[in-house]
Amino acid sequence: AQSVTQLDSQVPVFEEAPVELRCNYSSSVSVYLFWYVQYPNQGLQLLLKYLSGSTLVKGINGFEAEFNKSQTSFHLRKPSVHISDTAEYFCAVSRTNAGNNRKLIWGLGTSLAVNP
Amino acid sequence: DTAVSQTPKYLVTQMGNDKSIKCEQNLGHDTMYWYKQDSKKFLKIMFSYNNKELIINETVPNRFSPKSPDKAHLNLHINSLELGDSAVYFCASSQLEGTGELFFGEGSRLTVL
Repeated sequence: AQSVTQLDSQVPVFEEAPVELRCNYSSSVSVYLFWYVQYPNQGLQLLLKYLSGSTLVKGINGFEAEFNKSQTSFHLRKPSVHISDTAEYFCAVSRTNAGNNRKLIWGLGTSLAVNP
Repeated sequence: DTAVSQTPKYLVTQMGNDKSIKCEQNLGHDTMYWYKQDSKKFLKIMFSYNNKELIINETVPNRFSPKSPDKAHLNLHINSLELGDSAVYFCASSQLEGTGELFFGEGSRLTVL
């Protein structure tokens, strides 16, 4: 079975500072990896995804994430955050060979609070 | 043009009432889902339908009944509402043969008094 651990439940940071949101997963099979963002009072939207190929993936709003297979991690980074990045961030995985029963396994979320 | 739309956005009701939430997607996806998000932001899958057929049914009280009239629609009916049902309910869709990537609606906030 897969599981996802987001190591920080809350990350406070000042505007224009860099940020890293950590995500580790456990799985005995290969997986696809996702980061979703949920702005206040909104639905979730895809920030970026790793399917295959280059381990560094770039997403929307200047975010990027690096897939590290040996450390089973998929940490999300941004070099300089804005107030508007304040949101809840979710890491998720799905099996690559799930056939017709593929579902996302979710982390508990990391609340990013960007302060002026 | 909204890809996944759900109505209503807000629901306030008394304990014991019955309520429904509707969801429609125009992405041509064949799989739709209902998720519950509690006050701590924890996301829990409730149901998944593929082309009108139930494929995931997590441990959810049978007061919750999903209905899919066609593959573009998935509605959620809740009977005998309880205080603990207060949450945000999200509809989502995906391609069955895809990566599992989900497209979410804006959510329906249910408050049971």
